[in-house]
Amino acid sequence: EIVMTQSPATLSVSPGERATLSCRASQSVSSNLAWYQQKPGQAPRLLIYGASTRATGIPARFSGSGSGTEFTLTISSLQSEDFAVYYCQQYNNWPPLYTFGQGTKLEIK
Amino acid sequence: QVQLQESGPGLVKPSETLSLTCTVSSGSISSSTYFWGWVRQPPGKGLEWIGSIYYSGSAYYNPSLRSRVTISVDTSKKQFSLKLNSVTAADTAVYYCARQVTTDGFDVWGQGTKVSVSS
Repeated sequence: EIVMTQSPATLSVSPGERATLSCRASQSVSSNLAWYQQKPGQAPRLLIYGASTRATGIPARFSGSGSGTEFTLTISSLQSEDFAVYYCQQYNNWPPLYTFGQGTKLEIK
Repeated sequence: QVQLQESGPGLVKPSETLSLTCTVSSGSISSSTYFWGWVRQPPGKGLEWIGSIYYSGSAYYNPSLRSRVTISVDTSKKQFSLKLNSVTAADTAVYYCARQVTTDGFDVWGQGTKVSVSS
């Protein structure tokens, strides 16, 4: 099983600043990596797939990068609505065996 | 715009079977582009993939749950279902159904349904 490790567990950033979240895979997942945003009481929302492709309707301030085992989600200028928990997920396996990271909580500084 | 809606009991007794159904509206369940999956989230914790199914009926499960899980699909009703047997308190969670593009992430999610396991 591929283990996904996110860091940091909690990130405190001021509105308007840049946030950088990391995700590491225990073995290569190529570019088969997605990022999700989850707000309290809501379902996760797909932000990025294919490591760097924004999902439909996702603002340009969200960007993803990386391949293999190291991935980054960057939010260029934090808006109030961006404070949430972010999860990475790999979908590299066939047959499917998907795993999520444990999440990074992005909080207001 | 495809929408997913979970349904099923909110309370299940220990050792019994948890059964949930996800109904797909405003879209086709019989597309070769998609898997249909279940993801759960225990209170205060992260996301766990339970399993996914293709419209043909081919199902794939998380190895940690495989011995207790069955996912099925009924294309005529545009529904797919989850059965988790021998439940314990550790199975208490919000259960989400979701659509996954076969080459991408889970792009459409249900609102989630909370299931508690308690006597």
